[in-house]
Amino acid sequence: QKEVEQNSGPLSVPEGAIASLNCTYSDRVSQSFFWYRQYSGKSPELIMSIYSNGDKEDGRFTAQLNKASQYVSLLIRDSQPSDSATYLCAPYSNYQLIWGAGTKLIIKP
Amino acid sequence: KAGVTQTPRYLIKTRGQQVTLSCSPISGHRSVSWYQQTPGQGLQFLFEYFSETQRNKGNFPGRFSGRQFSNSRSEMNVSTLELGDSALYLCASSLAAGGPSTDTQYFGPGTRLTVL
Repeated sequence: QKEVEQNSGPLSVPEGAIASLNCTYSDRVSQSFFWYRQYSGKSPELIMSIYSNGDKEDGRFTAQLNKASQYVSLLIRDSQPSDSATYLCAPYSNYQLIWGAGTKLIIKP
Repeated sequence: KAGVTQTPRYLIKTRGQQVTLSCSPISGHRSVSWYQQTPGQGLQFLFEYFSETQRNKGNFPGRFSGRQFSNSRSEMNVSTLELGDSALYLCASSLAAGGPSTDTQYFGPGTRLTVL
């Protein structure tokens, strides 16, 4: 069964610190991996995509992928209160995103 | 470029009724996917359409159906509504032109369905 595991949190991080979000997945077929951010009552917003092993940086965000370990992570540097949201890890397989339960991140001013 | 649009944004129905939700993808996007989000079950995949063909379907009863038109716009229909169908229904579009970068899905604002 395809599964995505995320720590549901909440993960509380001081403003300005680094937030680290982790995700493991079971479907070895997945080749594309996405991180979405979702504010309460809103739709998911794409933060990062990653397709190859290693790191990918975009501004304050860095995604890391290790296909051998079936592990994806997202680092948020210089965390801001506006980063407070639920972060969803989603591998893509067979024309669908496979969702984790999401990690609720709280940035404390 | 305009984003994914969904109509209506909010809907209230009673049990036993049916409902049709609409989704217009980003211009040039040929794939449309539908997801249901509830507090208890989280995000769940309903189905995906590409060039008017359903390529994949999630584990939902036959009361949930969809279709895609030649202009890539999509509709989903839920018949004989149940209380448990109350949810946020999300539509996402992607280029799906081959290659992982075109699999990126962009979401519309969703339709909030309440079944009384």
